[in-house]
Amino acid sequence: GDSVTQMEGPVTLSEEAFLTINCTYTATGYPSLFWYVQYPGEGLQLLLKATKADDKGSNKGFEATYRKETTSFHLEKGSVQVSDSAVYFCALSDRNGGSQGNLIFGKGTKLSVKP
Amino acid sequence: ETGVTQTPRHLVMGMTNKKSLKCEQHLGHNAMYWYKQSAKKPLELMFVYNFKEQTENNSVPSRFSPECPNSSHLFLHLHTLQPEDSALYLCASSQDPQRGRQETQYFGPGTRLLVL
Repeated sequence: GDSVTQMEGPVTLSEEAFLTINCTYTATGYPSLFWYVQYPGEGLQLLLKATKADDKGSNKGFEATYRKETTSFHLEKGSVQVSDSAVYFCALSDRNGGSQGNLIFGKGTKLSVKP
Repeated sequence: ETGVTQTPRHLVMGMTNKKSLKCEQHLGHNAMYWYKQSAKKPLELMFVYNFKEQTENNSVPSRFSPECPNSSHLFLHLHTLQPEDSALYLCASSQDPQRGRQETQYFGPGTRLLVL
């Protein structure tokens, strides 16, 4: 079945450092890909998404490019801030078995940014 | 403010108790979802409702019973739970399930459940 694998955390960075969180997926067909973020004590919020190969999603300085050839959707940010500390989830949409639009999540990567 | 609210935010219950979790969405969406988030595990989809009809039950034990009286409200009734059911339960909604894979889901803040 479809699955998402993302790098194990936690990731600890200093403010203004470059961030990469790796995400790879296995899917039949052509899924949409998402990054969600969960701040402490809150639910998940959509950070960005891409719906087809070579699309780049971007929001709040974060970017991710849908790479079909490497089945990847790595999250990047050039300069992280303390306020970016959160758990980041990579996800894909699941179209199998008639379950249109359901999401399959990775395990999440916790990011801590130190001042 | 995500437009999806959940109550209570925290719940402690014994294994013989009966309780209910409530979710309400103010976004005019037609699909609602229950997820379970446990430590060290991916989010697990539990139930999906489209236009008030249950379209997915992801092999969830019968001690979890969902109810969707209308497109804006979703409940999860709990009875005779086990300690391993302790987790964060997240509700989500999306606009139109027929849009399929492009659909974005909007999440509530979750209910943190502890079963003693």
